[in-house]
Amino acid sequence: GAGVSQSPSNKVTEKGKDVELRCDPISGHTALYWYRQRLGQGLEFLIYFQGNSAPDKSGLPSDRFSAERTGESVSTLTIQRTQQEDSAVYLCASSLTSGGNTIYFGEGSWLTVV
Amino acid sequence: QKEVEQNSGPLSVPEGAIASLNCTYSDRGSQSFFWYRQYSGKSPELIMSIYSNGDKEDGRFTAQLNKASQYVSLLIRDSQPSDSATYLCAVSRTGGGNKLTFGTGTQLKVEL
Repeated sequence: GAGVSQSPSNKVTEKGKDVELRCDPISGHTALYWYRQRLGQGLEFLIYFQGNSAPDKSGLPSDRFSAERTGESVSTLTIQRTQQEDSAVYLCASSLTSGGNTIYFGEGSWLTVV
Repeated sequence: QKEVEQNSGPLSVPEGAIASLNCTYSDRGSQSFFWYRQYSGKSPELIMSIYSNGDKEDGRFTAQLNKASQYVSLLIRDSQPSDSATYLCAVSRTGGGNKLTFGTGTQLKVEL
């Protein structure tokens, strides 16, 4: 696609429910990144993929968070048993490779846990 | 100490003035430096990247890097109201897989 596409753009969920956030990177980009941005805060790194493997998942805040990528394309970020502190915008980004290329961000998935 | 530090602002400048945004970083292994602009409710967009010491100019924007001082700055000349946004400084290190570490951003307000 022309840009990084994320869905849903907005999600309101009840505390304790599971949510899945989807990212479709720019076509041909092998590197894919997930970041979280809480209201008024900077971006927190969560995980990145090179191809289908995740060399760095150090930013995942707890075992309730997981991510996968298949076919070197779409990635899904799953949050289990959501908590109110999970409320944030989840930004996906992609780059041509994982070595020094420009990173392009999607519009984000705004998650509100009530 | 935060890995990437920025003054949160807001930084207010009059239209037409030079806006100066500053960023310091703690990891001496950082090799790549970026400035992203983020409008409220929108995703970050890259406006400048810099990899070596000195100045890099692109239109009204100039990025300055001083690795010895672990300091990177962004100058915006002839500031316009449309430049009002949050500016995020980001760094990555060689071998870090292009992983960016972001500062919390500086809010810039350009006033008429």
